[in-house]
Formats: sequence, structure tokens, C-alpha cells
Amino acid sequence: QVQLVQSGAELKKPGASVKVSCKASGYTFPTYTISWVRQAPGQGLEWMGWISAYNGHTNYDQRFQGRVTMTTDTSTSTTYMALRSLRSDDTAVYYCARSVVGATPVDYWGQGTLVTVSS
Amino acid sequence: QSVLIQPPSASGTPGQRVTISCSGSSSTIGSNTVNWYQHLPGTAPKLLIYSNNQRPSGVPDRFSGSKSGTSASLAISGLQSEDEADYYCAAWDDSLNVVFGGGTKLTVL
Repeated sequence: QVQLVQSGAELKKPGASVKVSCKASGYTFPTYTISWVRQAPGQGLEWMGWISAYNGHTNYDQRFQGRVTMTTDTSTSTTYMALRSLRSDDTAVYYCARSVVGATPVDYWGQGTLVTVSS
Repeated sequence: QSVLIQPPSASGTPGQRVTISCSGSSSTIGSNTVNWYQHLPGTAPKLLIYSNNQRPSGVPDRFSGSKSGTSASLAISGLQSEDEADYYCAAWDDSLNVVFGGGTKLTVL
């Protein structure tokens, strides 16, 4: 069965960086993209961008351009999302999720990773 | 302000039918398919409907989706207490970004 397993919770200070991992299993990794979606406390779902597991091509939401980097390691079927210059309003649960570009926005989701930004 | 517009709340009594709307534009819903997700606190969102009206295996047929023009709807019939959750619509836009609705909190009275 399809599974996306994310790394554990992180506590960061303002201005720092965070890197969250997402390990995929149960499907052919290079045939899908991975999207990253976050949910701040009391807020809705916010899409951050996607990365192709086939060729590493990325498409970031303009709100995160310059602060986010998504990478993929096909040897371990793992995708990474790094966010820098963290602010308190980056405190959120971050999800990775499987996508088919132009078809299914998201089908399977990771369990979520809480990132807390606090001094 | 989310790109896709949903009502912030909806409610119904057990057994009732409720619908949740999702309004977009020609560059989102108008030219792409819509997915719906159910999100319970502390859990990952769950895919309820894909390609406007298709249910993944395991999703009860009480849940149905439809799309017309630049809007889509999720209907839940035979409302149950366990349906109380947040519901989100999502679609691609023509720039290959994923856009979400702001979410609708469903209360079962």
C-alpha cells in the first residue's frame, strides 16, 4: 500500500532553517510528483509547491519563492523540503502528498510534521 | 483569501443531506478536475472524491461530488456524527499550481 512517512517534529528559532523528509513506499516513486502542503494553527491548507520525482523539476508557490527548496533522492525514494529564514508564522504542520501534475492534485498524504518557530 | 471559495461552515442533523460548494474560475475549476478531502483534527487529510465525482475504494457512497462550469459541490447524504470534520476542495490551475479552498467546518447537530 502507498505510504508516505515523514520525519519528526522540529523546534526552531526565528531566522533558522528546517528540513523535513518524506519517504515513499508502495508505488513506483519516479512516476509521481510530491507536493508539500502546510496548515498553520486555526488556518486552512496551503500548497507550497511540488517536485517531480522523475527529473527533480520543481514548481514553487510564489509566496515561498526564494525561501523553499525541494529535493529528491531516488535511491531512497525520499523527498525533502527545506524552508529558511523561518518566522513565527511558519509554525504549522507540514504535509507531503503524492500528486499527478495536471490530473490529481493530491491523493495520498504523509502523517504531517509539526514545525514550531519560537524564540 | 483562498483561490477556491468555500463557505466557512455547514451543519445538519443525523440522516440529513448536506452540500458544500466550491467556487473557482476558468483557470482553475473551469479547466481542471476537482478533488475533495476530509480532514479530522490531528490526522492527515483523506481523499474523498477525485476527478470531480469519483470515489476511492473504501469511501462510502454517501459521499458524492459534482462539477458544473467553474463550481463544484460535495454532497453528503445520510449524515452521521463521524462526518463532523473539515472539508476542502482542490484543483490545479493553468500554471500547474495546486489551489485549495479555505475549508468548510461541518457540524453534525
